[in-house]
Amino acid sequence: DAMVIQNPRYQVTQFGKPVTLSCSQTLNHNVMYWYQQKSSQAPKLLFHYYDKDFNNEADTPDNFQSRRPNTSFCFLDIRSPGLGDAAMYLCATSRALPGTGGDIQYFGAGTRLSVL
Amino acid sequence: GQQLNQSPQSMFIQEGEDVSMNCTSSSIFNTWLWYKQEPGEGPVLLIALYKAGELTSNGRLTAQFGITRKDSFLNISASIPSDVGIYFCAGHLDGSRLTFGEGTQLTVNP
Repeated sequence: DAMVIQNPRYQVTQFGKPVTLSCSQTLNHNVMYWYQQKSSQAPKLLFHYYDKDFNNEADTPDNFQSRRPNTSFCFLDIRSPGLGDAAMYLCATSRALPGTGGDIQYFGAGTRLSVL
Repeated sequence: GQQLNQSPQSMFIQEGEDVSMNCTSSSIFNTWLWYKQEPGEGPVLLIALYKAGELTSNGRLTAQFGITRKDSFLNISASIPSDVGIYFCAGHLDGSRLTFGEGTQLTVNP
């Protein structure tokens, strides 16, 4: 059974129309991550939550926001999607932060976002 | 910043052949991970390595954490068509974000 679940699997939005991607986990992990992955590239970390503490990567555009209302759920909000935001968005979880033990990251199946 | 150089970028092999790919870093890593990603799916963890010199197997897969802590390799023996995908190495220092290699695209011809 899937432990990190992303919905929807495919999302189509219009240029400039806000969109929200969803991630849920059944692992009860403390850390949840959002990555952006463009074709044939490695995943790029956007931000992560350790419990309720939000940590933004320095080069993540302001257009990307996140919410974590509880341990199980985390959302990625793209306020005004541009054509360059079309990508696969991956959610991952880990029990602990990198380097602290229990830090293996488990990924969801991803949401493929298209921007028209 | 940390960089992982993964090679080769792509491989085209015949079913039954053995495969080897590797990653090198400019920094010492404390953990090495190998993931496989199939088209339209998220990365799936194959092997995790925690100690320098560690050699770990998972079925037909074998990975090693280099003695210098700056490299790791992944071997796949007797490849089959379902081995097709992109293989990513990843690693981190204590307290740092997970850094990914650029991936090795594996194609297996039946």
